[in-house]
Amino acid sequence: TQLLEQSPQFLSIQEGENLTVYCNSSSVFSSLQWYRQEPGEGPVLLVTVVTGGEVKKLKRLTFQFGDARKDSSLHITAAQPGDTGLYLCAGLEGGSNYKLTFGKGTLLTVNP
Amino acid sequence: NAGVTQTPKFQVLKTGQSMTLQCAQDMNHEYMSWYRQDPGMGLRLIHYSVGAGITDQGEVPNGYNVSRSTTEDFPLRLLSAAPSQTSVYFCASRRLEIEKLFFGSGTQLSVL
Repeated sequence: TQLLEQSPQFLSIQEGENLTVYCNSSSVFSSLQWYRQEPGEGPVLLVTVVTGGEVKKLKRLTFQFGDARKDSSLHITAAQPGDTGLYLCAGLEGGSNYKLTFGKGTLLTVNP
Repeated sequence: NAGVTQTPKFQVLKTGQSMTLQCAQDMNHEYMSWYRQDPGMGLRLIHYSVGAGITDQGEVPNGYNVSRSTTEDFPLRLLSAAPSQTSVYFCASRRLEIEKLFFGSGTQLSVL
């Protein structure tokens, strides 16, 4: 199983601050996905990045896929309490279209 | 559309008891899967299926059985529950050609 390491594990910030969450691996992924999970619910897909060096923006969220397709980052600008949740990165294991491996997640708390 | 529906929402079992976690989707997705989520361990794939009559093992299949008799349903069976199976279980589905996973809202299982 290819490992996805996420950092930091926990992050508590004040409303309006910026933050970056990282997802790293020693393996190459054909694509990486970012999910957000709220308490008592299943994860919900935010974005999929496919091309090395790709940058995608979703309102105040910016996702980047590393040039070597081994890492990804999620940057949130001017965080809001509604951004609170567990952020998970996930990638398909090499050669498999069916086994999606998840990182352990970053638990973000945005305080008003 | 209801999406992915999991039942029950909560369940308490005694060691050695058996039970079936139900999962149904109404999106005509070929791919269905089961994950367990534990603190500090992230989401781990138990079993998956790419169509009726086809199932395969994920990362942590021991102690769990699955079958896929219809496109809509993918039940997860615990034949003899153990305390180590205390976890939150998520069912997820997607179209084979699209990587976006749709998750149910989870089943919280406690084995005493």
